[in-house]
Amino acid sequence: NAGVTQTPKFRILKIGQSMTLQCTQDMNHNYMYWYRQDPGMGLKLIYYSVGAGITDKGEVPNGYNVSRSTTEDFPLRLELAAPSQTSVYFCASSYSSAGGGETQYFGPGTRLLVL
Amino acid sequence: AQSVTQLGSHVSVSEGALVLLRCNYSSSVPPYLFWYVQYPNQGLQLLLKYTSAATLVKGINGFEAEFKKSETSFHLTKPSAHMSDAAEYFCAVKPGGSYIPTFGRGTSLIVHP
Repeated sequence: NAGVTQTPKFRILKIGQSMTLQCTQDMNHNYMYWYRQDPGMGLKLIYYSVGAGITDKGEVPNGYNVSRSTTEDFPLRLELAAPSQTSVYFCASSYSSAGGGETQYFGPGTRLLVL
Repeated sequence: AQSVTQLGSHVSVSEGALVLLRCNYSSSVPPYLFWYVQYPNQGLQLLLKYTSAATLVKGINGFEAEFKKSETSFHLTKPSAHMSDAAEYFCAVKPGGSYIPTFGRGTSLIVHP
């Protein structure tokens, strides 16, 4: 089991460029999440998905888009990169059936720098 | 809506000393509570969680936490700190029936030799 994998590990973007952050899990989890982590601010939820074909906005969705065409993959798209999107991005997954005490499993993160 | 407050963005202890990281929550329904740890340049991993069974929860690496409903707290403790415990610790709350946890801002644990 590789768990949750993310690519790339690190990327530098110029303002206005686009990119896709990849996330894959091999645990057959139905729930997947994208968070951003900024120093001293904890984790902020960007988007989440409850299953293939279903996505919903989190706390800070502006400037991002997601899709979930398969159970395994949940890519995050930045269309017009801005300096405010400089952050560390984490993908996570969990198996949720009734909104209980499910553990989230996190990927290693993608560090993004927008200049 | 639920929220989590972690008191102290940084906690500094000597090796061998007691570790106490504080977490208070608010939730309109009985919650599930979690502590996650993040080592440098890594993702978060679960330390322990409260899921309405025993109020004293034991986790990995000698950590434990006690759910106190009257105080709406879920503080994390370890009797004796090791250098390897230096990391960022996050408390999270998830109300029963919700699928989305809310994370605290994190507490950085510094361990001095």
